[in-house]
Amino acid sequence: DAEITQSPRHKITETGRQVTLACHQTWNHNNMFWYRQDLGHGLRLIHYSYGVQDTNKGEVSDGYSVSRSNTEDLPLTLESAASSQTSVYFCATSEGGREYEQYFGPGTRLTVT
Amino acid sequence: EDKVVQSPLSLVVHEGDTVTLNCSYEVTNFRSLLWYKQEKKAPTFLFMLTSSGIEKKSGRLSSILDKKELFSILNITATQTGDSAIYLCAVAGGTSYGKLTFGQGTILTVHP
Repeated sequence: DAEITQSPRHKITETGRQVTLACHQTWNHNNMFWYRQDLGHGLRLIHYSYGVQDTNKGEVSDGYSVSRSNTEDLPLTLESAASSQTSVYFCATSEGGREYEQYFGPGTRLTVT
Repeated sequence: EDKVVQSPLSLVVHEGDTVTLNCSYEVTNFRSLLWYKQEKKAPTFLFMLTSSGIEKKSGRLSSILDKKELFSILNITATQTGDSAIYLCAVAGGTSYGKLTFGQGTILTVHP
C-alpha cells in the first residue's frame, strides 16, 4: 500500500543545531507540503513543492529550507534550531487533479532545548 | 491575508448527542473547503465542498457550504466516543494552486 513516512518520529535537539526531518512518499504524488502544528494555531504551511526542483515558501518559512531532488522525498531542514521551532511537523502530499485532498504523514515531534 | 476561523475551539458532549462545528473564512479566489479529522496522529480527509447548498454526507457526518455567507458547518449525529478528535477546516484559494489554509481546529470530546 502507498504511504507517507516521516523520520525521526521524535527528536530532541539543542538550540543552534541544524536538524533535518525526512519525508518519503510512495504515492507518486507531485505535490508535497510541510506543516507545523501548534496549539491554538492549527496547521501552518512552511514550504511546498509541485515537483522535482520546485520549492515555494509558505506562511511560516523563516528558519526552514527544503529541496526536492526526486518525486518521493522532501526533507525539511532547520538551519539553526530555535526554541520557537518546538512543534509537531507534518508532511503531506496530493496528486494533480485532486490537489486539495491532501494525505498526511504520521508527524515528527521536535523539541528544541 | 487568507483567514479561517473555527468555533467552538473545544466541545464536550455525551454519547448520542448531536454536534455542529462551524468554520468561517475569508479567502481570495475561493476554490473549495475541506474538513479533516485528526485523532492521535495525522489528519485524515473527510469532505471537500465546492458548491453552496449541496450537503455532503458520510454515515453520521454531514457538511454544507454557504459561499454567500462564507461559512461551512460539520454536523455529527448520534455521537460516539470514537468521534473524539480534533476537527480541522481548511480552505483552498489565494494565488497559489494546491495550497490549503487551516483553521485552529475544534477539539471534540465525547464521553460515554
